[in-house]
Amino acid sequence: AQKITQTQPGMFVQEKEAVTLDCTYDTSDQSYGLFWYKQPSSGEMIFLIYQGSYDEQNATEGRYSLNFQKARKSANLVISASQLGDSAMYFCAMRAQMNTGFQKLVFGTGTRLLVSP
Amino acid sequence: DTGVSQNPRHKITKRGQNVTFRCDPISEHNRLYWYRQTLGQGPEFLTYFQNEAQLEKSRLLSDRFSAERPKGSFSTLEIQRTEQGDSAMYLCASSPGFRRGVSGANVLTFGAGSRLTVL
Repeated sequence: AQKITQTQPGMFVQEKEAVTLDCTYDTSDQSYGLFWYKQPSSGEMIFLIYQGSYDEQNATEGRYSLNFQKARKSANLVISASQLGDSAMYFCAMRAQMNTGFQKLVFGTGTRLLVSP
Repeated sequence: DTGVSQNPRHKITKRGQNVTFRCDPISEHNRLYWYRQTLGQGPEFLTYFQNEAQLEKSRLLSDRFSAERPKGSFSTLEIQRTEQGDSAMYLCASSPGFRRGVSGANVLTFGAGSRLTVL
C-alpha cells in the first residue's frame, strides 16, 4: 500500500532563511505523483507544488522547490527566504491508485512550520 | 468564482443527531471529493463524484454517511446518528481533471472545511 512519512512534527526557521521539510514515500507503482499542500490555521489546504515520477527535473514554483530523489524515495520541500506568512502545517501527499483504478491522494501526518521574525 | 465553498464552517451537535454539510465546488470542475481530517493527521479520502455520479467510496464511509451531488453541482455530506468518533474536519475538494501547465497532475482545490464536534 502507498504510504507517506513525514518525520518532523515541527520545524522552526527564522525569517528570510531557507528551510527543508522532509517527506519519504512508499509505493510499488511505476508512475506516481507527489504533491505538497500548505494548511494555515484557517483550515484550507493550499496546493504548492507537484512532481511527477517521470519528471526529469525537480519542480519549482516561486520560493518553493521540490528535492526529488527517486532512488531514496524522498520528495523534500524547500522553502527559500521564509516569510512570516509561511507559518502553517505542510502536508506531503501522493497520488495512489486503488484497485478500481481510481487515484486518490494519500497524505502524511504533516509538519508544523513556525517562522520567527 | 473564487474557490471551493463549504458550509457550515463549524457545527457542534449532540451524539445521535444528524448533521449535513454542503460543498460548492469551483463551477467548471466536474470532479468533487470529500476528505476527513482528524486532529494531528492528514486528510483521508472518503468519496469521489464525477459530475453527479458517485464513483468511489472509502471503507471509512460507514452506512451512517451519505453523500450526494444532484445535477453535478453542489454536494452534501450527511452523517446520521452522529458518534463522538465522527468529530473531525470534513474537507471538500474539486478538480477539473488535469491542471493546465502541470503535466500529469490532477490538482485538487480544497475548501476551508467544516469542523464537526460531537458532544
